[in-house]
Amino acid sequence: EVQLVESGGGLVKPGGSLRLSCAASGFPFSIYSMNWVRQAPGKGLQWVSSITESSSHTYYADSVQGRFTIFRDNAKNSLFLQMNSLRDDDTALYYCSVTTGNFDYWGRGTLVTVSS
Amino acid sequence: QSALTQPRSVDGSLGQSVTISCTGTSSDVGAYNHVSWYQQHPGKAPKLILYDVSKWPSGVPNRFSGSKSGNTASLTISGLQAEDEADYYCSSYGGRYSLVFGGGTKLTVL
Repeated sequence: EVQLVESGGGLVKPGGSLRLSCAASGFPFSIYSMNWVRQAPGKGLQWVSSITESSSHTYYADSVQGRFTIFRDNAKNSLFLQMNSLRDDDTALYYCSVTTGNFDYWGRGTLVTVSS
Repeated sequence: QSALTQPRSVDGSLGQSVTISCTGTSSDVGAYNHVSWYQQHPGKAPKLILYDVSKWPSGVPNRFSGSKSGNTASLTISGLQAEDEADYYCSSYGGRYSLVFGGGTKLTVL
């Protein structure tokens, strides 16, 4: 069974940092690109970042470019999102996902709240 | 990276059909046949119901169908059931491994 389990969310002050983690299991993690997608409370889905299978390429939404860093550890089947210089509008539920055609799985998300 | 445009809400009666549109640009929806649709019930993660415009993942009933014309994709749900009441999101590949989502449509089944 495919499982994606996010962790690392919490309450942080504006300008602060958090590192999100996603533990993957039940599929060959190292052969899939991975994504972070977020959903602000009561709002829609927003793509945040993607990383290719071997970490050779990373991509970011304009709103997080230069502040967030996506990386992965294929040996540990883990995906990460380092979030720096957090702002109020980064408050959201952050999902880890793999979305390759019909191979599409999402975790339950981890909540990040940015507030003073 | 602008969001795709969806109607905020649609209503449909039990057993009837509804169609939800998703309008993008020639850089996303119009450029690729990688449009997906997700169903999201409150408090749950999104669930894939269509990919590559009109293909069904395993286990999704064919009451859900998709199409695309130009920069607009559409999701049609026929034979509406009570459990279809949910939020629906379209997404498209936007180039360079990016994904762009629609703003979401709340479907109410009357």
